Amino acid sequence: NAGVTQTPKFQVLKTGQSMTLQCAQDMNHEYMSWYRQDPGMGLRLIHYSVGAGITDQGEVPNGYNVSRSTTEDFPLRLLSAAPSQTSVYFCASRLRAPGEQYFGPGTRLTVT
Amino acid sequence: AQSVTQLGSHVSVSEGALVLLRCNYSSSVPPYLFWYVQYPNQGLQLLLKYTTGATLVKGINGFEAEFKKSETSFHLTKPSAHMSDAAEYFCAVSFTGTASKLTFGTGTRLQVTL
Repeated sequence: NAGVTQTPKFQVLKTGQSMTLQCAQDMNHEYMSWYRQDPGMGLRLIHYSVGAGITDQGEVPNGYNVSRSTTEDFPLRLLSAAPSQTSVYFCASRLRAPGEQYFGPGTRLTVT
Repeated sequence: AQSVTQLGSHVSVSEGALVLLRCNYSSSVPPYLFWYVQYPNQGLQLLLKYTTGATLVKGINGFEAEFKKSETSFHLTKPSAHMSDAAEYFCAVSFTGTASKLTFGTGTRLQVTL
């Protein structure tokens, strides 16, 4: 199993550009989540999904969209990038609550 | 609302010394508690978790944590620090009914010196 994979590893965007961060898992997990990690703030939940076709907002959803058309994939879309979205983004999945959450390696995004 | 507080953003210990990383949570319902470790430029890895049952939980790499309901705490300990333990550690909590959401503390960076 590859576990949780994320692409790209690094990305630089200009303000106003849009892009999609990809996340995939091959463990048949129901739950998938997106977090952003900023210094001194821990990980903050952006959006999450409890199954294909079901998504919900987390703590900091503004400026981001998600969809879950398959169990495996959970892409995160930045609609119009802003410097405040400069961060490290982690995708995570777990089979069911309160099981172990598996994290991807992260995407380091810089918005100039 | 659920929350978790980690006391001390940086902790420094000597190799061979006791490691104690503090975590307190706020909740009116039974929590599920987790400790994760993050090595530089990597994702997070589960160290240990408490859901139900025994309150002293053992994890990987010699770490353990004890759930103390009366103190609303879940402190992480290791009897003897090793250089390879240098990393950032995150405490996280979720609750019945909102179990799909995991709330993280702000993290504690552990430094191990010779």
